[in-house]
Amino acid sequence: DAGVIQSPRHEVTEMGQEVTLRCKPISGHNSLFWYRQTMMRGLELLIYFNNNVPIDDSGMPEDRFSAKMPNASFSTLKIQPSEPRDSAVYFCASSYRTSGYNEQFFGPGTRLTVL
Amino acid sequence: RKEVEQDPGPFNVPEGATVAFNCTYSNSASQSFFWYRQDCRKEPKLLMSVYSSGNEDGRFTAQLNRASQYISLLIRDSKLSDSATYLCVVNSGYSTLTFGKGTMLLVSP
Repeated sequence: DAGVIQSPRHEVTEMGQEVTLRCKPISGHNSLFWYRQTMMRGLELLIYFNNNVPIDDSGMPEDRFSAKMPNASFSTLKIQPSEPRDSAVYFCASSYRTSGYNEQFFGPGTRLTVL
Repeated sequence: RKEVEQDPGPFNVPEGATVAFNCTYSNSASQSFFWYRQDCRKEPKLLMSVYSSGNEDGRFTAQLNRASQYISLLIRDSKLSDSATYLCVVNSGYSTLTFGKGTMLLVSP
């Protein structure tokens, strides 16, 4: 079975440019999560969706960041304009949420470098 | 105080050694607890859940002390393939997880 798919795997861009990261969750999963990982701050939750609806976006750093989930099989995280401090690995994860906790499966990540 | 705190390491141990990692969490309302493993330049993967009664999976033993808000992971008979970063993870509500920064383990021949 295909796991969580993310693209691109690597992105190098210049400050001020728009960056769009893409994620395809595991088929049948109803929750999707965007995380950011840096050496300084570790792994941080940015936003999560349940049944395509954003539930908690309190981790989104600022208005330059936006996320969408137009359907159950696709989500995007956009940074506009990008800044050097946005350089990090961005992970997408998905799970099938029931009443309790269910394992989150992570994608391979997108390594973003903003020059 | 950080929500989930871990000793960053690295822990350098020889093959066959026993090594223990500790973790503390600040939210007393936390409901579920886990250890994730992350290999270098890879994504995190669930290693095991942590239950109040303690649980074991082969060479790995996890313990939870709710009163002290403390979680531990013990690895016996370390293998080279155990070299990775181990993330302490707490679920404090709904589906969201809070990750510690991780403890790096290096197992040498």
